[in-house]
Amino acid sequence: SQTIHQWPATLVQPVGSPLSLECTVEGTSNPNLYWYRQAAGRGLQLLFYSVGIGQISSEVPQNLSASRPQDRQFILSSKKLLLSDSGFYLCAWSGNNGGQPQHFGDGTRLSIL
Amino acid sequence: AQSVTQLGSHVSVSEGALVLLRCNYSSSVPPYLFWYVQYPNQGLQLLLKYTSAATLVKGINGFEAEFKKSETSFHLTKPSAHMSDAAEYFCAVSVGGTASKLTFGTGTRLQVTL
Repeated sequence: SQTIHQWPATLVQPVGSPLSLECTVEGTSNPNLYWYRQAAGRGLQLLFYSVGIGQISSEVPQNLSASRPQDRQFILSSKKLLLSDSGFYLCAWSGNNGGQPQHFGDGTRLSIL
Repeated sequence: AQSVTQLGSHVSVSEGALVLLRCNYSSSVPPYLFWYVQYPNQGLQLLLKYTSAATLVKGINGFEAEFKKSETSFHLTKPSAHMSDAAEYFCAVSVGGTASKLTFGTGTRLQVTL
């Protein structure tokens, strides 16, 4: 069966520091991969998605970037964190046929001080 | 572009009562529709999905949802609420395509009281 791993589970970082969140998927090949942010009391905002290695689509302009160095690895990064980057970050994967459901990791709670 | 509206950010029911969480969608093409549940500090778990087969979809934990094209709705129901159903519920829509991007509603927090 397929599993998705996200780490770390929680992270506290000072403003201006760099960020790297990692997500890996097991048990499937060539998945679509997604990064979401969930701010307190709000819904999910799609940040990036990827349909293949090295293929990244950004949904909103922001202080973050994403990379997909391997088929089942998705990384969310920032060179300098802002206070507004605080939130709950979720990685998800789906099959690459239309209309597939997405399956989520357990998330990373990021607090910026 | 597609969108989802969840009516009621908070819903409270008594244990054993009917659960009804409302979702209306907007899409210019036949949609795929999903319900997810999120427990505190966890990711989202898929409850059920509609992918143009049967209009009444049964999911996990006793939940079901009915796709009504004429009403552009996909409401989530459960006949009898349990304390463990207390969580946040998200409705989402996709119009397919290789990327399978989802558009989420803002969520409904379900409270279950004794």
